[in-house]
Amino acid sequence: EAGVTQFPSHSVIEKGQTVTLRCDPISGHDNLYWYRRVMGKEIKFLLHFVKESKQDESGMPNNRFLAERTGGTYSTLKVQPAELEDSGVYFCASSPRQGTEKLFFGSGTQLSVL
Amino acid sequence: GQQLNQSPQSMFIQEGEDVSMNCTSSSIFNTWLWYKQDPGEGPVLLIALYKAGELTSNGRLTAQFGITRKDSFLNISASIPSDVGIYFCAGQYTDKLIFGTGTRLQVFP
Repeated sequence: EAGVTQFPSHSVIEKGQTVTLRCDPISGHDNLYWYRRVMGKEIKFLLHFVKESKQDESGMPNNRFLAERTGGTYSTLKVQPAELEDSGVYFCASSPRQGTEKLFFGSGTQLSVL
Repeated sequence: GQQLNQSPQSMFIQEGEDVSMNCTSSSIFNTWLWYKQDPGEGPVLLIALYKAGELTSNGRLTAQFGITRKDSFLNISASIPSDVGIYFCAGQYTDKLIFGTGTRLQVFP
């Protein structure tokens, strides 16, 4: 069974550009999460989808970030326009049910904004 | 907001040594977790703790859920090279996890 896959693994962009990150969760997992780790700091929650609905987006930094999960399968996270402080590793995780502590993480997308 | 303070930030040890790291919070959590991130990979769950005072082992790993529900520690005994990575504590809050800043472990042969 395939794990959580994220694309791209690395992205280097200039300030002001747009970047779209993609996450394919484990098949059948209704719950999809986005987290971010800025260098040296904690892994911080961004948002949580249940199927195609946003259950909790309290961690989204500002309106430059837009997450979608059309059809309840894969999800995209778009940053537009990117700022220097958006650099970090963006992790996607999925789980088969809500309220579970066992999240399956992807390998992350390393985003560098120059 | 909730914050988890994890220490130490990094550790450099020799193969065979035991390791201890801990995590404290100003908030109470009902579930404490320890995840490990291997280089180039995402975090993987190592141990989950559900009850205050609980002591749980997973091979060479032992973790405890503090009595106050505001802290936890992780011990690794007889470290081996593949223990290298970043260890994160996490507390479960509703449907999301609150993570610590991580402890980077390096093991030298």
